[in-house]
Amino acid sequence: QVQLQESGPGLVKPSETLSLTCTVSGFSISNGFYWGWIRQFPGKGLEWIGSIFHGGTTYYDPSLQSRLSMSVDTSKNQFSLKVKSMTAADTAVYYCVRDRQGGGVLIVDHWGQGTPVTVSS
Amino acid sequence: NLMLTQPHSVSESPGKTISISCTVSGGNIVSNYVQWYQQRPGSAPTTLIYEYYQRPSGVPDRFSGSIDRSSNSASLTISGLKTEDEADYYCQSYDSTKVVFGGGTKLTVL
Repeated sequence: QVQLQESGPGLVKPSETLSLTCTVSGFSISNGFYWGWIRQFPGKGLEWIGSIFHGGTTYYDPSLQSRLSMSVDTSKNQFSLKVKSMTAADTAVYYCVRDRQGGGVLIVDHWGQGTPVTVSS
Repeated sequence: NLMLTQPHSVSESPGKTISISCTVSGGNIVSNYVQWYQQRPGSAPTTLIYEYYQRPSGVPDRFSGSIDRSSNSASLTISGLKTEDEADYYCQSYDSTKVVFGGGTKLTVL
């Protein structure tokens, strides 16, 4: 079955860039669907970050767009997220997901286990 | 702006049926699909319902989704409640500019 696993640093300093990678197993990214990121804040609110197609087309949340970069490595069956200029407000659990629809229309059918990220000096 | 409003918490007894509402404001319920996600304590969310009422494989048919045009809302109904259903439930939709999640509903099965 489709499985997603996030990896990356659990602690990032303010103003630095967060880099996360999601490794997909049980399904080839090249076979379709969009691949995205969602975060969950300590108060439990959920926020969509963005999604990417295997060809590289991206859709980002408008409020985060200027700080985001997403990429895909089909040879490793991975996709990645970079968030610039991290602040304490970015402290959250970050989930990678499979997005059935893409195009800024989020319909998640598979979730990773999530990786906690804390922004602190 | 699109907003999704859920009750903060609901509770019911095992074996009973409960519905959790998700009221849409700033948009029309029939314009864009609504999804429902379950998050058990200490776990990642999982998808229960997508595109209003579709169930991914492996999700029991005790879980069902519906919409009510008159109240501009979507509902998640859980029948035959089990203690393992105790979790947070989130609805989610989108419009032309943004993806939106509801604030979540904590279900207690007592």
